[in-house]
Amino acid sequence: GAGVSQSPSNKVTEKGKDVELRCDPISGHTALYWYRQSLGQGLEFLIYFQGNSAPDKSGLPSDRFSAERTGGSVSTLTIQRTQQEDSAVYLCASSFSPSPDTQYFGPGTRLTVL
Amino acid sequence: AQTVTQSQPEMSVQEAETVTLSCTYDTSESDYYLFWYKQPPSRQMILVIRQEAYKQQNATENRFSVNFQKAAKSFSLKISDSQLGDAAMYFCAYRGIKAAGNKLTFGGGTRVLVKP
Repeated sequence: GAGVSQSPSNKVTEKGKDVELRCDPISGHTALYWYRQSLGQGLEFLIYFQGNSAPDKSGLPSDRFSAERTGGSVSTLTIQRTQQEDSAVYLCASSFSPSPDTQYFGPGTRLTVL
Repeated sequence: AQTVTQSQPEMSVQEAETVTLSCTYDTSESDYYLFWYKQPPSRQMILVIRQEAYKQQNATENRFSVNFQKAAKSFSLKISDSQLGDAAMYFCAYRGIKAAGNKLTFGGGTRVLVKP
């Protein structure tokens, strides 16, 4: 079956602009995660959605970052007023259930802020 | 907070030989899961192997096996009969049973180079 998909694959933006990154999880997966991969910080957790529960936003680095998940499926990560330090690969993952199920990752979106 | 450490930034192996990647972690939990993920240049993280902490038997997946030492908090990955397609970044990851959000905590990664 289809895996996790993310769009766009690459995004170049100017400092101060807003960007939206999209994630389509594997069909039937109830849990969805966003991670950020950057040279300086490695791989870090951003946010987690499980069903209709309130999301775990504990990893979001600032209030410029937000995410939503509509209809328990597609998720959008929004970064407002982008800064150069936001440049990174943003990875989305999904799992059938939160635990102990394995997380399956998408190909990521490479964000470059000029 | 849990931390995961991969002390080898890069490892080189001859094709058909064996290479072992090290991973140590710190946790106060008794029950948890450990993973090795592979990330080729395509960026997509691919699960290599998974270990449940309550299982004493080391996990094995074809040419990939782990040496899980719970008391030492060590979780090394052995790649046997290395192939050119094994060249990638390898990440060790931890997930606690009670960890809020069941998030993965990753190590810094080890780049594996395979020489023909």
